[in-house]
Amino acid sequence: ETGVTQTPRHLVMGMTNKKSLKCEQHLGHNAMYWYKQSAKKPLELMFVYSLEERVENNSVPSRFSPECPNSSHLFLHLHTLQPEDSALYLCASSQDRGVAGGWTGELFFGEGSRLTVL
Amino acid sequence: GQQVMQIPQYQHVQEGEDFTTYCNSSTTLSNIQWYKQRPGGHPVFLIQLVKSGEVKKQKRLTFQFGEAKKNSSLHITATQTTDVGTYFCAGRKAGKSTFGDGTTLTVKP
Repeated sequence: ETGVTQTPRHLVMGMTNKKSLKCEQHLGHNAMYWYKQSAKKPLELMFVYSLEERVENNSVPSRFSPECPNSSHLFLHLHTLQPEDSALYLCASSQDRGVAGGWTGELFFGEGSRLTVL
Repeated sequence: GQQVMQIPQYQHVQEGEDFTTYCNSSTTLSNIQWYKQRPGGHPVFLIQLVKSGEVKKQKRLTFQFGEAKKNSSLHITATQTTDVGTYFCAGRKAGKSTFGDGTTLTVKP
């Protein structure tokens, strides 16, 4: 138990589907992240939210849409994905000590959501 | 942009042998962190190094941060089967963090 919970753990979707991944952290952290993990790129940062504001977006295609309604919850909305988007999506949180963007403390990762796009 | 290279990509050792993974950054870093990901698991934080030339130990694991703060290493003495997994370094500079591609360690009993 890392204090970061991701649902669903596994998701299979067609290219025309709309689905969402959910992340919840119980650690009182103020920064949350989405990472993509695949064989091609082991840990690829997608989005960073600090104090509920998006502070980093690493050229992620618009078919991925993040949402951070509060400091404890983070969503990744998925729409018209491609088979190459199949990967493990990891959520993480940290306590950001105020430096703009990124993190200053250790990252606590969730167990990930394994996504398969058919 | 900032690049963090990690070598080797894979390492196979006999149980009891030592293991080292190296992390090299194209730029000077503010700090570096190390994570371990067991097969089928998620990355777990091991340690953070901040000072130039810093050396930290955790039981059989020794972490070093280079004098120029551009490279780092993780050394495991006398590997055990519980050491298997992928070890990632993550370098931070100017508010941005970059993970290396990891070194996957397998240990033969």
